[in-house]
Amino acid sequence: EAQVTQNPRYLITVTGKKLTVTCSQNMNHEYMSWYRQDPGLGLRQIYYSMNVEVTDKGDVPEGYKVSRKEKRNFPLILESPSPNQTSLYFCASSLNGGGKYNEQFFGPGTRLTVL
Amino acid sequence: AQSVAQPEDQVNVAEGNPLTVKCTYSVSGNPYLFWYVQYPNRGLQFLLKYITGDNLVKGSYGFEAEFNKSQTSFHLKKPSALVSDSALYFCAVRDFASGGSYIPTFGRGTSLIVHP
Repeated sequence: EAQVTQNPRYLITVTGKKLTVTCSQNMNHEYMSWYRQDPGLGLRQIYYSMNVEVTDKGDVPEGYKVSRKEKRNFPLILESPSPNQTSLYFCASSLNGGGKYNEQFFGPGTRLTVL
Repeated sequence: AQSVAQPEDQVNVAEGNPLTVKCTYSVSGNPYLFWYVQYPNRGLQFLLKYITGDNLVKGSYGFEAEFNKSQTSFHLKKPSALVSDSALYFCAVRDFASGGSYIPTFGRGTSLIVHP
């Protein structure tokens, strides 16, 4: 089944404790991205990747890191989480990294709470 | 710069009635426009998109959307609403202009509630 998977689905942590949210897709998509969803703000893109070893900042990259060592995986890293990073996070992928016209496939989401 | 607006936080409609969820956009070039739906505790699912061609675009679950360049709108419609259509709907835009953004802009979302 074609899908985007994220782990963990739920995470409660404390300020400053490094964490990684994994994302994997099995569709051989070039383009992958991370979003956060906050009430009243919709989805905002954190980082995106056009292909392996190619990443770039989205609209709200502060406090986050990503890497793209393999085509299928795109982990999101919070080196020192803070309470304002409490949010619902989505990973997404689409077929063509250079194509702006491709729809995205979203993972099920990771609800992160930083105390 | 690109932007998208969903002017209604919530839309209420009775089952069987037609529904419209509004979206307006602003881009410097030509737009790529998308609608996504989010059911509770799920990720977003793609409904339909406008790239070029016919202004009326048909998508999943009986939804359609009409691209109106003069009004810079891309409203989502369905002739007869179902209770199961109740969800959160997001409009998104990407700018087709040369050098345009690879970062899509999403609206804030509109909660559609279909009453039995």
